Formats: sequence, C-alpha cells, structure tokens
Amino acid sequence: QVQMQQSGPGLVQPSQTLSLTCAISGDSVSRNSVGWTWIRQSPSRGLEWLGRTYYRSKWYQDYAVSMRGRITINADTSKNQFSLHLTSVTPEDTAVYFCARDLGLDLLYFDYWGQGTLVTVSS
Amino acid sequence: EIVLTQSPATLSLSPGERATLSCRASQSVSSFLAWYQQKPGQAPRLLIYDTSIRATGIPARFSGSGSGTDFTLTISSLEPEDFAVYYCQQRSNWPPGSTFGPGTKVDIK
Repeated sequence: QVQMQQSGPGLVQPSQTLSLTCAISGDSVSRNSVGWTWIRQSPSRGLEWLGRTYYRSKWYQDYAVSMRGRITINADTSKNQFSLHLTSVTPEDTAVYFCARDLGLDLLYFDYWGQGTLVTVSS
Repeated sequence: EIVLTQSPATLSLSPGERATLSCRASQSVSSFLAWYQQKPGQAPRLLIYDTSIRATGIPARFSGSGSGTDFTLTISSLEPEDFAVYYCQQRSNWPPGSTFGPGTKVDIK
C-alpha cells in the first residue's frame, strides 16, 4: 500500500520560500512510468495543479505556467521523497498543499495523496 | 488554460436517489477527464478517469460519461457515505498540466 507523508512548516513569512517534503512508502520515487505531483487548494483558487517530477532514465519536471519562475520540484532518491520549493510567497499562496502520485504512463490523474499541509503566508 | 465549470454548485438529494453532476470544459479535452470525491479534512479521492474508467475499489454505482466538452458523473443510488464535494479534472499532454473544476456539493435533503 502506497503512503505519502508530508512535512514542512505551517507558517511562512511573505517574500520567503515555502518548502514542503513528501516521503513515500510502498513505492519508489524513481520508478519509471509514474510521476510525483504537488497540488494546492484554497477557497479562492480551488484545486490547483502546481507541477510534477518524474524519472524516465533521467529526471524531468513539468510546472504550471502560473508557477514558472517561482517553483522547483525535486526528488531525493536516497530518502525516497520529493520536495516543493516556492519562492517569493505572498498571502495569495496560503493554501492546503497536497502531494500526490499519478496513475502512471503519463496519465495525469492522482490515485494516492498525502494528508495535506495547511501553509499560511503571514508576517 | 482550459477552464472547467461544474453544475449545479449544490445538489440536495436523499439517500437512494440518483445524482447527476455535470462538468463543462472551455475547449475539447477529448476523453481526458476525471472525477474526484472529497470529504472535509481529507484529500480528494479518485473515482473515475478517462471519462468512464472506475478507479481501483470504486463501487459500480459511480459512472462517468461524455466527450469533448460535456461530461457527467452519475451516482445511481446515493449511499450515506456519498454526501461530499465532487470535482472534475482534465489533463493535457501538451503543455503537460491539469486543471480542476470548482466542485459540486452533494448534500442531504
């Protein structure tokens, strides 16, 4: 059974970097065919796909257009986890952040999710 | 970016009734559409993908249909555990990405 455990701070100051980690058990972050995604949810923006990382003989990333320039998603194979880094945050980045696994074969649908982390951007 | 709209915003029904939820895309998404169920304090749960394929472990009372820009999720007979918010989601191959609809809340009448 795949499990995804999120960790990271719940409060980030404006203009700083939001960093979250998703530890995977029951699967491998470097398994070919699946991808590892970050999604966030807020009352004002709803569910929003942020981006993903995946391994196909080498590492790739895809990012939402709205996030490009501020977002980095990378994997740590030694710890079997992947991370989200979002720079220059503003209060509009306040949301519940989820990590998720896609179905594989580039089917960008999400069958396993982390528990969610509420991140508040405030001074 | 493809925009998804869902209707109605709220659906008030009784257990045992049939629920019909709609999702419309701003341009064709072919059959690349999924449905999720979300309960308070939980992550979304994948129900249906590629319009009509039930995800692992999803009961047969959930079914999906449609193509192009208009899609439907049907719950044939509502069980007490089905009262929740339902989201549609489209995926695109190029550029790679995904968007979600705003959700339909199914509540108890």
